Amino acid sequence: RKEVEQDPGPFNVPEGATVAFNCTYSNSASQSFFWYRQDCRKEPKLLMSVYSSGNEDGRFTAQLNRASQYISLLIRDSKLSDSATYLCVVSYSSASKIIFGSGTRLSIRP
Amino acid sequence: DVKVTQSSRYLVKRTGEKVFLECVQDMDHENMFWYRQDPGLGLRLIYFSYDVKMKEKGDIPEGYSVSREKKERFSLILESASTNQTSMYLCASSLVGNTDTQYFGPGTRLTVL
Repeated sequence: RKEVEQDPGPFNVPEGATVAFNCTYSNSASQSFFWYRQDCRKEPKLLMSVYSSGNEDGRFTAQLNRASQYISLLIRDSKLSDSATYLCVVSYSSASKIIFGSGTRLSIRP
Repeated sequence: DVKVTQSSRYLVKRTGEKVFLECVQDMDHENMFWYRQDPGLGLRLIYFSYDVKMKEKGDIPEGYSVSREKKERFSLILESASTNQTSMYLCASSLVGNTDTQYFGPGTRLTVL
C-alpha cells in the first residue's frame, strides 16, 4: 500500500462547478500536509498548506481529518485555468520523509 | 521570487555514460532535493542535502550520487546511466525550518538509450 494515495482521475467537470478530491495517508505520525499544483509539462508549485482547523484561500478550501487520515481539496466556481494535476504532500519532522502522492488530474471544460 | 534553475531541459544519453544534472538556487536556501517523477508513481525523493557537503539518501538512491560543494548548487550524478533511469528529474529547494514548502526547478527530461 502506498503511503499517500490519490485518485488519479481524470476529473472532468464543467466550468463553474464545484469539485473535491481526497488524499489518504497511512502514517499517523504525519505532521504537515500540503497541496501542490502541477500544470502540464511544468514543475509543481505550492497551492496551499493544510491546517488542522481547515483553511481557505479564495475558491480553494483544504481540510484535514486526522482521525480518518485524509486531506481534501475543494474548488468552488471552477475556472478553465484550474485544469492541472493536484499533488497531495505529506511530511514528517525529518526532511527525508516528504511523500508526494501521484496526483489527481483535473480538467475543466467550457 | 525564488528561482531554481536546472542545467538542461532535455538530455539524451547512452547506457553506461556518466551523467551530471546541475541545479542552482538563488535564495540562500539550506535544503536542496532531487526527485524523479514517473507516470503513476509521482515524485520520489532520490537524495537531499541540508547543508554544504551534507547529503542524505531519500527513497530511491540506488544508481545515483550527489554533490553539494556550494550552498547554491546541488548536483545529481548518474555514474553509469541505465535505461530505467529515463525519467523527469526535478530539483527543489527550501528554507531551513520550513523544509516542506519546496520551490522546484523546471525539470530535466532525461532519456537513456
